[in-house]
Amino acid sequence: GESVGLHLPTLSVQEGDNSIINCAYSNSASDYFIWYKQESGKGPQFIIDIRSNMDKRQGQRVTVLLNKTVKHLSLQIAATQPGDSAVYFCAESHNAGNMLTFGGGTRLMVKP
Amino acid sequence: DVKVTQSSRYLVKRTGEKVFLECVQDMDHENMFWYRQDPGLGLRLIYFSYDVKMKEKGDIPEGYSVSREKKERFSLILESASTNQTSMYLCASSSPGGGNSPLHFGNGTRLTVT
Repeated sequence: GESVGLHLPTLSVQEGDNSIINCAYSNSASDYFIWYKQESGKGPQFIIDIRSNMDKRQGQRVTVLLNKTVKHLSLQIAATQPGDSAVYFCAESHNAGNMLTFGGGTRLMVKP
Repeated sequence: DVKVTQSSRYLVKRTGEKVFLECVQDMDHENMFWYRQDPGLGLRLIYFSYDVKMKEKGDIPEGYSVSREKKERFSLILESASTNQTSMYLCASSSPGGGNSPLHFGNGTRLTVT
C-alpha cells in the first residue's frame, strides 16, 4: 500500500554540523508534505511544509527539498544545535482534507 | 500561536473502566483529530472531526468513540479500557486549508491501562 518512510532511524551529528534527514514516499499523488519535530515528552511541533509545485523551501536554519521524480523528501538543518535533538517525522497528504500519513520518525542526536 | 491543550499528561486506568480524554483548541479550527503513538508504529489516526457533532473513523477506530459537542473541544472515549490501549494519545487541530494546512498537536496524554 501507499506509505511514507524514512531511510535512517537514528542520525548522530556533531554540534555545529549540518544535518540531513531523509524521507521516501510512495504515493505519486501526494501533493503536500510536512516535517515535524517531537521532543521528549511533547507533541509533534510543525517545522516546515512544502507543496508539490515547489522543490525547495527555506525556513529559519531549515530547508526542505522535494524531489518528485524519485519521491524523496529531505530536511536540512544548518549548524545543528543541542536543542535540535529530537525525533523528526515527515508526513504527506494527497488532497484528502488533511489526512496526513506519517513516517516512522528519525531520531537526531547532537553530540557536543 | 495555536494552542492545543490535552487535559491530562498521565492517566492510569484499570481494565474495563470507561476513560475520557479531553482536548481543547483555541484557534477556532474546524478540524480536530485523535492519534495514538506507539514505538515502531508511528502515529495512527483513530478518529477525526470536520465540524461540530460530526465524526469520521480513522485507521484504528475499534474500541474508541469520540464526541464533538463544541467546536473547540474534541473528546476521545474508551468505552471499556483494555491493556492494548496503553499508549500515548495525541490530539491535533487544523484549519480547513483544502487539505494543505498543518496539524497542530497537543503535548499528549500517556495512558496506562492495568
